[in-house]
Amino acid sequence: EAGVTQSPTHLIKTRGQQATLRCSPISGHTSVYWYQQALGLGLQFLLWYDEGEERNRGNFPPRFSGRQFPNYSSELNVNALELEDSALYLCASSLVWARGRDGYTFGSGTRLTVV
Amino acid sequence: KNEVEQSPQNLTAQEGEFITINCSYSVGISALHWLQQHPGGGIVSLFMLSSGKKKHGRLIATINIQEKHSSLHITASHPRDSAVYICAVRRGSQGNLIFGKGTKLSVKP
Repeated sequence: EAGVTQSPTHLIKTRGQQATLRCSPISGHTSVYWYQQALGLGLQFLLWYDEGEERNRGNFPPRFSGRQFPNYSSELNVNALELEDSALYLCASSLVWARGRDGYTFGSGTRLTVV
Repeated sequence: KNEVEQSPQNLTAQEGEFITINCSYSVGISALHWLQQHPGGGIVSLFMLSSGKKKHGRLIATINIQEKHSSLHITASHPRDSAVYICAVRRGSQGNLIFGKGTKLSVKP
């Protein structure tokens, strides 16, 4: 069974541009989560999508946005890129979140560099 | 104060030693996760706990819900165990994780 896949692996953008990151969850998982790990910092929660809806949002500005498609894959969009957005962006997926008993599976991440 | 605190921040051990990493949290949770992150960034989920104790090979994870504390133990540590170990919790009504800052473990041969 394929794991959580993220694309691209690496992305280099110029300040002010937009970046689009993609995530395909494990088959059958309906929830997708996006996390940011900036250099030297811990993991920070960005966005949570379940069944096509945004369920929760971390403490990030509105230029971080995303969506979840009917096949449960997801996009993370970062507009007006700033140098501080350079980070590893990790996607994770899980089954039914409400039960709290399912596992989490992480993708390998997209490393975004803003120059 | 962070909602999830880990200790120690850094840990150096000799091969074969017994290792303990601690995690304390201050919020109500539905589950606690232990994660492993190797250089390069990939994260592997080691355990998900809501009570008691779990064991996978040389790894043991325990949780005390009343004390809001969890421990990750590694028996007979090996250099390949060198990684960052991260404690994360899921709040009762939320699906996203709240992370500790991680413990960087280095096991010397």
